[in-house]
Amino acid sequence: AQSVTQLDSHVSVSEGTPVLLRCNYSSSYSPSLFWYVQHPNKGLQLLLKYTSAATLVKGINGFEAEFKKSETSFHLTKPSAHMSDAAEYFCVYSTGFQKLVFGTGTRLLVSP
Amino acid sequence: GAVVSQHPSWVICKSGTSVKIECRSLDFQATTMFWYRQFPKQSLMLMATSNEGSKATYEQGVEKDKFLINHASLTLSTLTVTSAHPEDSSFYICSAPTWDGTTDTQYFGPGTRLTVL
Repeated sequence: AQSVTQLDSHVSVSEGTPVLLRCNYSSSYSPSLFWYVQHPNKGLQLLLKYTSAATLVKGINGFEAEFKKSETSFHLTKPSAHMSDAAEYFCVYSTGFQKLVFGTGTRLLVSP
Repeated sequence: GAVVSQHPSWVICKSGTSVKIECRSLDFQATTMFWYRQFPKQSLMLMATSNEGSKATYEQGVEKDKFLINHASLTLSTLTVTSAHPEDSSFYICSAPTWDGTTDTQYFGPGTRLTVL
């Protein structure tokens, strides 16, 4: 079955240091993958999406993700963390019938 | 980007009462919308697919008689939690997809926090 696995439930970084949030997917065909961010008491916001056009996907707020088929990974990165990046991040898989399968989420903590 | 709204943003009700939550696509039409629930510190779980003009389809384990879904227009879907009980307390989120030329992208409402006393 198609699924996504977020390898870390929590990631802690210092402001100004790089961010790496890990996601692996399981799929028998080329998937559509997304990263969403959820700030406290706010709705989910789309950060970026992969749809097979380019393996390196750039999103909003300086985030990017690279689709690596050989590693079945779609890790989210940012060169320099900001305090406002502290939130819950979800790696999401689209089944192709518009249904989304969410990973378990990674809480990003950013310290001054 | 596309905007999806939800109303109310939070609601508190007594056990046994029914609560209606609205989901609207503000600047696009959506023949399909989705309803999710999210428990504290957990991920989103898809509850059902709301189809404009036809019956909703429910995920396995979701009681269709408890969670009534109506998609009466291309911009509005409603979720009614009937005879609510404390275990129904949760964060309910809707989404609606739009096609951007390459793929469907889901846009999410801000969510409705339901507390059943």
